[in-house]
Amino acid sequence: EPEVTQTPSHQVTQMGQEVILRCVPISNHLYFYWYRQILGQKVEFLVSFYNNEISEKSEIFDDQFSVERPDGSNFTLKIRSTKLEDSAMYFCASKSFLIDTGELFFGEGSRLTVL
Amino acid sequence: GQQLNQSPQSMFIQEGEDVSMNCTSSSIFNTWLWYKQEPGEGPVLLIALYKAGELTSNGRLTAQFGITRKDSFLNISASIPSDVGIYFCAGQLTGTASKLTFGTGTRLQVTL
Repeated sequence: EPEVTQTPSHQVTQMGQEVILRCVPISNHLYFYWYRQILGQKVEFLVSFYNNEISEKSEIFDDQFSVERPDGSNFTLKIRSTKLEDSAMYFCASKSFLIDTGELFFGEGSRLTVL
Repeated sequence: GQQLNQSPQSMFIQEGEDVSMNCTSSSIFNTWLWYKQEPGEGPVLLIALYKAGELTSNGRLTAQFGITRKDSFLNISASIPSDVGIYFCAGQLTGTASKLTFGTGTRLQVTL
């Protein structure tokens, strides 16, 4: 069964360091998303991406965040200068353009710990 | 922004019992979805609802899209230990690229 894969599964970094989280969406999907979940809280939307550009972003997705689809398969989330409050699980998700069912397929997440 | 509140926040039930949880919104959604999240994993879709009033079943799960488009419930019948997890409702407004707004979650614990 096709799935969304994310790496790394866990990253520990020092405050102020740059972090890149990587995702390989399901191969025939065209819409890509990043969500985050602070420990014990709900899942929050960060950004959606389609046709090589951002479709929508939340107020959380400030200038410290950027996304990229560098090579047609990977979809990355970069945090330029991490803050303590960036510690969370980051979930990548993808969706097929052909099926407007609202179904997003989520990866297993990358846990980011900022010290 | 849109708020989705789920109740109850947590439930402790015995195996075999039925479970009911609901989700209410401050605004209308066009699509309602129910996801389950297990520890260390991403959310997995359980049921999707596309029309106001729609009642949909998936095995032991039944969910309804409220007539007002501002609420939904999820029922689980004859719970089993593997039902343990956090259940999130999510609303979507329009279009294929539209983001999901997640609810606050209901944590379900099942005891033998």
